[in-house]
Amino acid sequence: ETGVTQSPTHLIKTRGQQVTLRCSSQSGHNTVSWYQQALGQGPQFIFQYYREEENGRGNFPPRFSGLQFPNYSSELNVNALELDDSALYLCASSDLTEAFFGQGTRLTVV
Amino acid sequence: GQNIDQPTEMTATEGAIVQINCTYQTSGFNGLFWYQQHAGEAPTFLSYNVLDGLEEKGRFSSFLSRSKGYSYLLLKELQMKDSASYLCAVRVGGYSTLTFGKGTMLLVSP
Repeated sequence: ETGVTQSPTHLIKTRGQQVTLRCSSQSGHNTVSWYQQALGQGPQFIFQYYREEENGRGNFPPRFSGLQFPNYSSELNVNALELDDSALYLCASSDLTEAFFGQGTRLTVV
Repeated sequence: GQNIDQPTEMTATEGAIVQINCTYQTSGFNGLFWYQQHAGEAPTFLSYNVLDGLEEKGRFSSFLSRSKGYSYLLLKELQMKDSASYLCAVRVGGYSTLTFGKGTMLLVSP
């Protein structure tokens, strides 16, 4: 058990809809990162939040957005869903020497 | 940008030893992580190296050579449950962002 929890675990959405995924971080970690993992690939960095501010972003369009709250939990929002957004979405809670992942949210866009 | 290479697949026999290599080209290197990921699950943290040398943790060891841009994960006394994908990830700069390789699928046979 890593102490990082994500919700929901599975989700099915229709193309064009919007989705919000949630993550609670490990106690003592103030940095949260989100990753997208397509089948057979390594996780791809979406963005990172440190003390409620976005401080790094990967090669993802603006319809991917996020928030971090004072308790360091976080949300990932995706607007105008596309079929290619179907993937496992991972949240990672980290400090200097460790980075732990939640169990992920499997998003299917139909 | 960063480039991380690891073999796509490896096979080994139960009870044997296997070494999974990872090479990287990056600037601002600030640590290398290894993760284990079973199909459909989130990555599980295995090890972290930031200085040259070997880190041992039970049946798993990880080695780093920063001058060569090279790391390996060594798994001893292989068990069937070790069949999984093994992900090498590099952290760059002062952030916690990880850049992942595509993963090495290890199949352990009886």
